[in-house]
Amino acid sequence: GAGVSQSPSNKVTEKGKDVELRCDPISGHTALYWYRQSLGQGLEFLIYFQGNSAPDKSGLPSDRFSAERTGGSVSTLTIQRTQQEDSAVYLCASRGPNNSPLHFGNGTRLTVT
Amino acid sequence: DQQVKQNSPSLSVQEGRISILNCDYTNSMFDYFLWYKKYPAEGPTFLISISSIKDKNEDGRFTVFLNKSAKHLSLHIVPSQPGDSAVYFCAATGETSGSRLTFGEGTQLTVNP
Repeated sequence: GAGVSQSPSNKVTEKGKDVELRCDPISGHTALYWYRQSLGQGLEFLIYFQGNSAPDKSGLPSDRFSAERTGGSVSTLTIQRTQQEDSAVYLCASRGPNNSPLHFGNGTRLTVT
Repeated sequence: DQQVKQNSPSLSVQEGRISILNCDYTNSMFDYFLWYKKYPAEGPTFLISISSIKDKNEDGRFTVFLNKSAKHLSLHIVPSQPGDSAVYFCAATGETSGSRLTFGEGTQLTVNP
């Protein structure tokens, strides 16, 4: 497949547990973004990776959230000690050169019980 | 601070008629605007964009209008088709945004046969 791939598609976890969400961007895309969409809300920016530059973490809501991008490709978003307000759809997107549009994955629906 | 706002959470139109989706922004540094369409359980997909140097961009049935003085843009779909039923997100970016997009809350469009 040539699109952005996210796994798992659904994740149910207990409050207080850690979760890892994975994103495989489109091959060759150097820019990678994480957004989340809470129920009834728009897309909220979380973090942005561009090549080997330091990531823009300005959207991460708390220090329980972190993300890595290994080898300039796959990214993992980690949420530690999950809370019920973390329940949302977490969307990953990648972008090619020259300000081309973002291509989104289908998201991971996280439910914290 | 909601910098991009879509004040209509939903819109319903008849097949064949025009759909007009509206978006307002507050950040005068935004200079590039996009519309994304989202079906349930899928990620948003890029639809059309416009640069601030233009006031109109057309692509088939879709036209985006930009009124910089009013900080307002709109998406026109004509003629509307049942397959256009989806959530439409307005997004904006600019020099001070880094490379992140700021999204509105979305408008659910329903096109009735």
